[in-house]
Order: sequence, then structure tokens, then C-alpha cells
Amino acid sequence: KAGVTQTPRYLIKTRGQQVTLSCSPISGHRSVSWYQQTPGQGLQFLFEYFSETQRNKGNFPGRFSGRQFSNSRSEMNVSTLELGDSALYLCASSLPGQGRTIYFGEGSWLTVV
Amino acid sequence: GENVEQHPSTLSVQEGDSAVIKCTYSDSASNYFPWYKQELGKRPQLIIDIRSNVGEKKDQRIAVTLNKTAKHFSLHITETQPEDSAVYFCAARFGNEKLTFGTGTRLTIIP
Repeated sequence: KAGVTQTPRYLIKTRGQQVTLSCSPISGHRSVSWYQQTPGQGLQFLFEYFSETQRNKGNFPGRFSGRQFSNSRSEMNVSTLELGDSALYLCASSLPGQGRTIYFGEGSWLTVV
Repeated sequence: GENVEQHPSTLSVQEGDSAVIKCTYSDSASNYFPWYKQELGKRPQLIIDIRSNVGEKKDQRIAVTLNKTAKHFSLHITETQPEDSAVYFCAARFGNEKLTFGTGTRLTIIP
């Protein structure tokens, strides 16, 4: 079974631009969550989607948004990029239900210059 | 919301010795506690998890213990090997709430 797939893997953007990252979950997984990982801040939760609805949201500004499609694939968008948005963005998928294990993708490395 | 504290932030142990990483959580309702290992440049991967109805769980050289009263859980790695060198993250969640991670422990195994 294929794992969680994220694209693109690496990208460089300029301050003020916007970026869209894509995530394809493991087949059969309907829950997708996004995390931002930076060296000093660990894994910060962005949001989680289940059946095309945002179920949980972290403490990030409105510039960070996401969505989920009917096939469970998800995208996240960051508008008006800032230098501090440079990070590894990890997507994770899971089956629905309590105590469910989440499986991470390889991540998208975003550098803002 | 849930808050998870993890200690120590860095840990160095001699190969063959044991390593212990501790986490405390704030939400007494949390009932799921996974541990992830992240090697350099790779994705975090689940190594073991425990649910609140269990006090201890083992998988070969790895074990996790949970103290619900004190709201803390620990990862124990015995007979450490060089391939155990990585960053380890604990996490906690209640029900369908978000999974909250600790800040990570960088474990270095000294040959």
C-alpha cells in the first residue's frame, strides 16, 4: 500500500508570494492533518480535515488555509509568505476513529527568501 | 487545550545502556499516547503507542509506561544501538481532538 505522498518536496518562494502544497493520503484514510516543523518549535499542528470538513484547527494566522477533496486528497495554502514561514510542512493521514495512528508523509520543504 | 512537555531536550547514552524520555500532559481526558522517531531528513514514524486503559506496553527493546494519576508517560529504550540515534517525539490526544506533540528529544548513542 502506498504511503502518504506530498508534493512538491522542495520549493523556494519569495516574500509576499503564496504557495500551495498537496497531500495524497494512504488509500482508505479519510482524515488528513497538517503540521509545521521548524528546528526550534517541533511539530506544530495546523489543521485536520475529515470528509472534506475541517475538524480541528491550530493557532496559526488566517494566511494558512486548507481544504480536502472528495477523494480525501488535501491541499494547504499559505498566502503573503513571510520569512518565518520557512519550514518543513508535514501531512499525515489516518483512519477515522479514536486512538487512530497517524502516518506522516516525507514533507514539503519550503524556503521563503 | 492539551499541552505536552517533554524532557530532556537532548540525551546522550553509551551504546548498550538504557535511555528514558519523559513527557507530561495537561488534559486528564487524553487517552492516546504515541511516540514517534524521526531520523535526520526523514519523516516521523510511529514506534510505539499506548492507550489510557493500559499501564505499560513493550515491543522488543522499546517500552512505554503511563501514569494517568500523575499525567505522565515515558519511553524506555534498552540495549541502545547506534541506529537508535534520532529525535523522539511524544504526543497526546483525547478522542478526535488534535494530536499534540512534545518538543522532541535528540537522542545520541555514543559507540
